[in-house]
Amino acid sequence: GNSVTQMEGPVTLSEEAFLTINCTYTATGYPSLFWYVQYPGEGLQLLLKATKADDKGSNKGFEATYRKETTSFHLEKGSVQVSDSAVYFCALKGGSEKLVFGKGTKLTVNP
Amino acid sequence: DAGVTQSPTHLIKTRGQQVTLRCSPKSGHDTVSWYQQALGQGPQFIFQYYEEEERQRGNFPDRFSGHQFPNYSSELNVNALLLGDSALYLCASSFIVTATDTQYFGPGTRLTVL
Repeated sequence: GNSVTQMEGPVTLSEEAFLTINCTYTATGYPSLFWYVQYPGEGLQLLLKATKADDKGSNKGFEATYRKETTSFHLEKGSVQVSDSAVYFCALKGGSEKLVFGKGTKLTVNP
Repeated sequence: DAGVTQSPTHLIKTRGQQVTLRCSPKSGHDTVSWYQQALGQGPQFIFQYYEEEERQRGNFPDRFSGHQFPNYSSELNVNALLLGDSALYLCASSFIVTATDTQYFGPGTRLTVL
């Protein structure tokens, strides 16, 4: 079945550091890929998405490129801020209607 | 434009009791999905409702049931609560027609079973 594997956390960075959170997936066909963010005590917010190979999703300085050849969708940001501290979830949506999530990566950014 | 809303925010129940959680989808959306998020884990799909019918179901027992109303709002019911049902329950809405439809999540209901 479909699955998502994210890099283990937690990740701790200093403000203005470069961020990469790795995400790889296993799926049949051509899934849509998503990054969601969860701030403390809140639900999930869509951060960005990509629906086909080589698409780049971007939002709020975050980027991720759909790489079919490596089945990856790594999240990157050039300069993180304290306000980016949250849990980040990679997810895919394949032929069925459900989202399949990774376990999440907790990011803490220190001033 | 109102987003996805859920009620209640928090709930405390004891083992064996029954609980009902409610969700109103984002304006213009016709499909509601429910997810369970245990502490420190990613959300797990419970089921999805469209046109008042359960369209797809995840690997959850029959104690978990749902309903969708004509106005697209939805309820999640859990019977015979177990300690392991303690989790954040998330509702997500989408518009079914688009193949790449994005699911938008509500803030969740935190259920604690004692």
